[in-house]
Amino acid sequence: GNSVTQMEGPVTLSEEAFLTINCTYTATGYPSLFWYVQYPGEGLQLLLKATKADDKGSNKGFEATYRKETTSFHLEKGSVQVSDSAVYFCALSDEAGTALIFGKGTTLSVSS
Amino acid sequence: KAGVTQTPRYLIKTRGQQVTLSCSPISGHRSVSWYQQTPGQGLQFLFEYFSETQRNKGNFPGRFSGRQFSNSRSEMNVSTLELGDSALYLCASSLALAGNYGETQYFGPGTRLLVL
Repeated sequence: GNSVTQMEGPVTLSEEAFLTINCTYTATGYPSLFWYVQYPGEGLQLLLKATKADDKGSNKGFEATYRKETTSFHLEKGSVQVSDSAVYFCALSDEAGTALIFGKGTTLSVSS
Repeated sequence: KAGVTQTPRYLIKTRGQQVTLSCSPISGHRSVSWYQQTPGQGLQFLFEYFSETQRNKGNFPGRFSGRQFSNSRSEMNVSTLELGDSALYLCASSLALAGNYGETQYFGPGTRLLVL
């Protein structure tokens, strides 16, 4: 079945450090891929998405490129801020029309 | 445009009771999906409603049910509560069916349910 695998957290960084959160997926066909972020005590917010191979989603300095050949959608940011501390979820929506399938989430903690 | 709203935000129940959660989607959105979030299982899909019909269902027991009204508002009901039902229940809305190509779901803040 379809699945999403994220790197285990927590990820602890200093402010202005480079961030990478790995995400790989298993799905038939060409799923749509998403990154959601959850701040403490809140619901999920869409961070970015990509709907076809080689698409790059970007938002608020975060980027992720849909790599069909490696079935990956790694999240990157060049310089993290304390306000980026949150839990990040990678998710997919497959062509069969099912709902979102989420990874386990990666907790990011940024210190000043 | 107002976002997805969920009520109540917090709820405490005891085993055996039942509970109803409410979700109001973004204006114009016709699909409402429900997810359960727990530390152990992560985010799991419960069901999706579109135009008052259940279109997809996750792997949850029949104690979990839902419905959608003509104004797209949705309710989720859990009967005979168990301790393991303690979770954050998230509602998400989208313009079209959640599984449509590239369709984006927008989430509410969730209802945190504690079962004692």
